[in-house]
Formats: sequence, C-alpha cells, structure tokens
Amino acid sequence: AQSVAQPEDQVNVAEGNPLTVKCTYSVSGNPYLFWYVQYPNRGLQFLLKYITGDNLVKGSYGFEAEFNKSQTSFHLKKPSALVSDSALYFCAVRGFKSSASKIIFGSGTRLSIRP
Amino acid sequence: DTGVSQDPRHKITKRGQNVTFRCDPISEHNRLYWYRQTLGQGPEFLTYFQNEAQLEKSRLLSDRFSAERPKGSFSTLEIQRTEQGDSAMYLCASSPSSGGSTDTQYFGPGTRLTVL
Repeated sequence: AQSVAQPEDQVNVAEGNPLTVKCTYSVSGNPYLFWYVQYPNRGLQFLLKYITGDNLVKGSYGFEAEFNKSQTSFHLKKPSALVSDSALYFCAVRGFKSSASKIIFGSGTRLSIRP
Repeated sequence: DTGVSQDPRHKITKRGQNVTFRCDPISEHNRLYWYRQTLGQGPEFLTYFQNEAQLEKSRLLSDRFSAERPKGSFSTLEIQRTEQGDSAMYLCASSPSSGGSTDTQYFGPGTRLTVL
C-alpha cells in the first residue's frame, strides 16, 4: 500500500533563512513524488516532481527537493525563505506501476515565514 | 492555457438537498480527477475519467455521489441528499495522457461546500 507522511504539522522559519519541509513515503517499486502548495481558499499549485534521474529536483519559486531512496524521503527545501512562501505544502506519491489516479497526498505542513 | 476552472466556488445548502458542481479542465487534457479535501487533511481521491470514460471510483464515493463527463470535456459531480459530513472542499484536477506531463495533475480552485 502506498502512503506518505509529513511529520511536521507546522514549520516556522525567519525570512532569509533556509527552510526544509519533510516528507517520507512508502510505495512498492520506484516512486513518483510530487510537491504541491496551497494558498488560503485556493486549489493546489504544482511545485515540482521526481520521476527518475537526478536526485535533486528544481521547481517553481526557487524550491527544490531531494530524493533519497535509502531513507525513502523527498524533503522540500529553499535556500532563503520569503514571507510570501507562507502556505500549506503537500507531498504526494504514486508507485511506478500504479494507475494515473493513485496519487496519495500527505496531510500537509503549514509553513510560516516571519519577517 | 486558462487553467482548470470550477463552478461554483462556494455552495451553501441545507441537509437533504442535491448539489451539482462543474469542472472545466485544461483544454488539451483528457484525464480528469475529482478529490475531496477536509480541513487539516490532504486531498482524497474520489474518481477519475479518461475522456468520457469513468475508469476508477474510490470507496469514498458513496451511492449518493455521481460524476459524469459526457463529452470528454467538462465534468459534473452531483451529491444527492447532502449530509453535514459532505461539507468539504471539492477539487478537480486534469492531466494530459501523452507527452512529458502525464504524471502531473493541475488543480482548479475548488468548490467549498457547506451543508447546514
């Protein structure tokens, strides 16, 4: 069975500092991994994905994520946080052999960037 | 590319009433998905269409829920005899079935349903 865990409900970071939002997953076979961001009363916006290749994936708004197969993790990172990065972040996973619909989302991490 | 659109954005209804939501996917996308998101949770998959064919339904989709995509373009999600537990954000997403972005789902703004 596929699952994804975001162990932190909330992450607080000062503006200008690096940020990390954690995600671990469980899936049979090779994973497809995604990060989405959700602003208040809005749908989810795609940030980045890992399918294959380089373990460090770069995405929108200066975000990147590192795939670590041995630790089954896909943490989201940004070198220098902005107040506008404050939002709800979701990690998602699907197995390589799963159907296109079988994307499982984590419960989300609220990122708060203080000025 | 105008993105995925959903209508209405907000719906307040009384318990027992029927409601219908509409989703217009990105025009060249032939896969369409419905999700439900409750407060403090990630989206949960409800159902999935490829063109007009409904290929998969979650066990979350009770008999009171029905989704259609009659011409393979827009889709509707109907909830009959609404219950207070149906209160949630209903999200629609679409993706292409060919090309480099088949695995990426693009989401609409959602319809927030409140059942009184």
